[in-house]
Amino acid sequence: DAGVTQSPTHLIKTRGQQVTLRCSPKSGHDTVSWYQQALGQGPQFIFQYYEEEERQRGNFPDRFSGHQFPNYSSELNVNALLLGDSALYLCASLASGTGWTDTQYFGPGTRLTVL
Amino acid sequence: DQQVKQNSPSLSVQEGRISILNCDYTNSMFDYFLWYKKYPAEGPTFLISISSIKDKNEDGRFTVFLNKSAKHLSLHIVPSQPGDSAVYFCAARPNSGNTPLVFGKGTRLSVIA
Repeated sequence: DAGVTQSPTHLIKTRGQQVTLRCSPKSGHDTVSWYQQALGQGPQFIFQYYEEEERQRGNFPDRFSGHQFPNYSSELNVNALLLGDSALYLCASLASGTGWTDTQYFGPGTRLTVL
Repeated sequence: DQQVKQNSPSLSVQEGRISILNCDYTNSMFDYFLWYKKYPAEGPTFLISISSIKDKNEDGRFTVFLNKSAKHLSLHIVPSQPGDSAVYFCAARPNSGNTPLVFGKGTRLSVIA
C-alpha cells in the first residue's frame, strides 16, 4: 500500500517565479492538507482540500493556492515567490468521516529553495 | 503567539535509559494531542496520540501523559534505542476531526549507544 507521495523532491526557483507541487494521498484517503515547514520550525498549516474544494485555510497569503482532482490528488501553487517561501512543503492525507481520532499521514515533502 | 511549545530544542540520552520529551500548550480548546517523529529527508510519522478524556496512553515503549490542568503533555520512551534518534513534534487540535494540526517547533532526540 503506497503511502503519501510528493513530487518533486527538490526544487530551486528564483524570486518572482511560480511553482507547482504535487501530492498523491494514501490509498483510501480523500482529504489532503498542505503544510509549510521552515527551517527550525514545526509544520504550519496552509490549507485543506476535500471534495475538490478548499475547506479550511491557515494564515497564508493568496499567492498560495491549490487544487484537488477527482482522484483526490492535489497541487499546491505558489505565485510571485519570495525568499521567505524557501521551506519544506509537506502534504498530509486522511480519510474523512473516521471521527475525531483520525490521524493524518504525511508525505516526505518537497524542499523548495528560492534564490 | 505559539500555541504549542516545545521548549527543549534538543535532548541527548544514553541507550537503554528513559527519554522524556515535553510539550506545553496554551489553547484550552485543544482536545486531541499527537506526537510525530521525523527523520531527515522524510515526512513526519505518526507515533502516538491521546485525547483529553485520558491522562495516559501507552503503545509499546512509548507512553504519552497528559496533564490538562497544567496544559502539559510528555512523551516517555523506555528503553531508548539509537533508532529513536529523530526530531519529535508535538501537535494538537480541537475536538473536531478535520481541524488542522498545530505543531510545536520540535525536539531533536539523540540516543547515544
